[in-house]
Amino acid sequence: GAGVSQSPRYKVAKRGQDVALRCDPISGHVSLFWYQQALGQGPEFLTYFQNEAQLDKSGLPSDRFFAERPEGSVSTLKIQRTQQEDSAVYLCASSLTGTGYRDTQYFGPGTRLTVL
Amino acid sequence: KQEVTQIPAALSVPEGENLVLNCSFTDSAIYNLQWFRQDPGKGLTSLLLIQSSQREQTSGRLNASLDKSSGRSTLYIAASQPGDSATYLCAVVFGQAGTALIFGKGTTLSVSS
Repeated sequence: GAGVSQSPRYKVAKRGQDVALRCDPISGHVSLFWYQQALGQGPEFLTYFQNEAQLDKSGLPSDRFFAERPEGSVSTLKIQRTQQEDSAVYLCASSLTGTGYRDTQYFGPGTRLTVL
Repeated sequence: KQEVTQIPAALSVPEGENLVLNCSFTDSAIYNLQWFRQDPGKGLTSLLLIQSSQREQTSGRLNASLDKSSGRSTLYIAASQPGDSATYLCAVVFGQAGTALIFGKGTTLSVSS
């Protein structure tokens, strides 16, 4: 079956622009996670959804970052007024059950965001 | 602060060699630990997941061990192949309440033929 997909794969934005990154999790997966991976670093947690409920957004670095999953499937990560420090790969992952930390997380290929 | 550290940052070995990658974590109260593989330009692939009650997991040429008391895990790769070249990431779920994986920075492995 299809894995986690993300679009676009690459995004170049001018500083100050808004961007929207899309994640399509594995069908039927309850949990969905967003991570930010800077160059040469491990991924860092941003936010977690259980179905449509955003249960943890403690990793979002500022109020310019917003995530939603309105129907409990596709998720969008939006970054407003992008800054150069937002340049990173944004990874989405999903897992089967509602207790995501108990399960293997399946990752998408990521969206590489470059802010000029 | 809960942290995960991986040493070395990079490793180069000839094909056929057995090797060990190291991961250490600051808090012994973990829920589980995972090893991932990341290829350039691609997402992460889960290799092995060890629950806190387990001591090791094996998959093919890979064996991961967990020693909570010392805050360490190792990933053993037997008979390395050029196709094993990738970055290997260790990630920990701390405690029972957390949902977030805390990742190390990874070890980049290069296996030469």
